[in-house]
Amino acid sequence: NAGVTQTPKFQVLKTGQSMTLQCAQDMNHNSMYWYRQDPGMGLRLIYYSASEGTTDKGEVPNGYNVSRLNKREFSLRLESAAPSQTSVYFCASKEDRSTEAFFGQGTRLTVV
Amino acid sequence: QQPVQSPQAVILREGEDAVINCSSSKALYSVHWYRQKHGEAPVFLMILLKGGEQKGHDKISASFNEKKQQSSLYLTASQLSYSGTYFCGTMQTGANNLFFGTGTRLTVIP
Repeated sequence: NAGVTQTPKFQVLKTGQSMTLQCAQDMNHNSMYWYRQDPGMGLRLIYYSASEGTTDKGEVPNGYNVSRLNKREFSLRLESAAPSQTSVYFCASKEDRSTEAFFGQGTRLTVV
Repeated sequence: QQPVQSPQAVILREGEDAVINCSSSKALYSVHWYRQKHGEAPVFLMILLKGGEQKGHDKISASFNEKKQQSSLYLTASQLSYSGTYFCGTMQTGANNLFFGTGTRLTVIP
């Protein structure tokens, strides 16, 4: 019972490089979310997908793109990484509006 | 749209009680509470739905005042294992986004 799986767990990028963070859930959840966590800032919502085929911006979407590939997978892409995107990224999923969110273990990204 | 949490940090001795508050300027459908240990993912504690319902398990409980768009998390007779950062998450009425506050760092000392 894997739950929410994020890959990779750690990544170091050079400024200007691109990469995609992967997230997959095996709980048949409808909604999926991407957050970034920085010291003192809490969890800030980047993008979310209420259901397969839909995506919406959160609080801090600039510099990111997302794809809801199917019901299981929700990827986050950094087209041109910047040092300000150094953070811990969490993916989460939930079944519907009345249920709890389940989090992946996070991806620690450093942009140098 | 982040909910506002208070206090930012609190230090307790084992056995003491604490209250963490969460408020939003938007009409809320639900409030979620999570605890995060250092270097780990947030772990779900409880969810409160619109209706002013109070929930709890063991010595941790929470309330939701939907008229004031406020929620409080109550930790009684704190244990060392309660240490961590507590986050409230809010879902607005009619929306599927889930916003989190900046967190409350709770430290329980012997």
